[in-house]
Amino acid sequence: RKEVEQDPGPFNVPEGATVAFNCTYSNSASQSFFWYRQDCRKEPKLLMSVYSSGNEDGRFTAQLNRASQYISLLIRDSKLSDSATYLCVVTSAGNNRKLIWGLGTSLAVNP
Amino acid sequence: EAGVTQFPSHSVIEKGQTVTLRCDPISGHDNLYWYRRVMGKEIKFLLHFVKESKQDESGMPNNRFLAERTGGTYSTLKVQPAELEDSGVYFCASTGTVNTGELFFGEGSRLTVL
Repeated sequence: RKEVEQDPGPFNVPEGATVAFNCTYSNSASQSFFWYRQDCRKEPKLLMSVYSSGNEDGRFTAQLNRASQYISLLIRDSKLSDSATYLCVVTSAGNNRKLIWGLGTSLAVNP
Repeated sequence: EAGVTQFPSHSVIEKGQTVTLRCDPISGHDNLYWYRRVMGKEIKFLLHFVKESKQDESGMPNNRFLAERTGGTYSTLKVQPAELEDSGVYFCASTGTVNTGELFFGEGSRLTVL
C-alpha cells in the first residue's frame, strides 16, 4: 500500500465550479500535512498547510481527519489558473523534515 | 532574492556515463534536500543536508549516487555510472526553518539516460 494515496484524476471542471480532492495516508504517526501545487514541468510549491481544525485561504479550504487518516482540499469558484497538479504531502513519523508525497491529482479548469 | 537554482536543467547521457547535478540553495538556508521523481511515480526523498553534514541519506538508491555539500553552500549529486532507471527529474529544495514543511524547490534537473 502506498504511504500517501490520491486519485490521479484528471478532474475536468468548468470555470466557477467547486472541486474537492481527497487523500489518505497510511502512517497514523505522521505529524504534518500539506498541499503542494505543481504546474506542468515546474517545481512544486506549497499551497497550504493542513491543520486538524481545518483552515481556509481564500477560495481554498483544507481539512484533516486524523482518525480516518484523511486529508481534503476544496477549491471554490475555480479559475483557469487553478489548472495544475495538486500534491498531498505528509511528513514521515518521527522526522519532521522528510516529506512523503502522493502521486498528485491533475486538475484542468475549462472556459 | 534568488530562489533555488539547479544546473543543468536537462541532461541526456548514455548508460554508463557520469553526470553531476548542481544545486544552489537560497542564501542562508542551512537545510538542503534532494528529491527525485521518476516518470509515473511519486516524488521520493533522497537525502537531507544540514549545512555540510548529511542528516539523512536513507533515500539514496544505491552507491552509484554521491551527494556532497562542501562548505555548506551549494550541493552536487553525482550519478556514476548512470543506469536507465536513473532517468527522472531531480529536485533540490532548501529551507531555513525545519519544521514548517515549506520547502522551496528549484525547477529541477531532468536526467535522461539512454
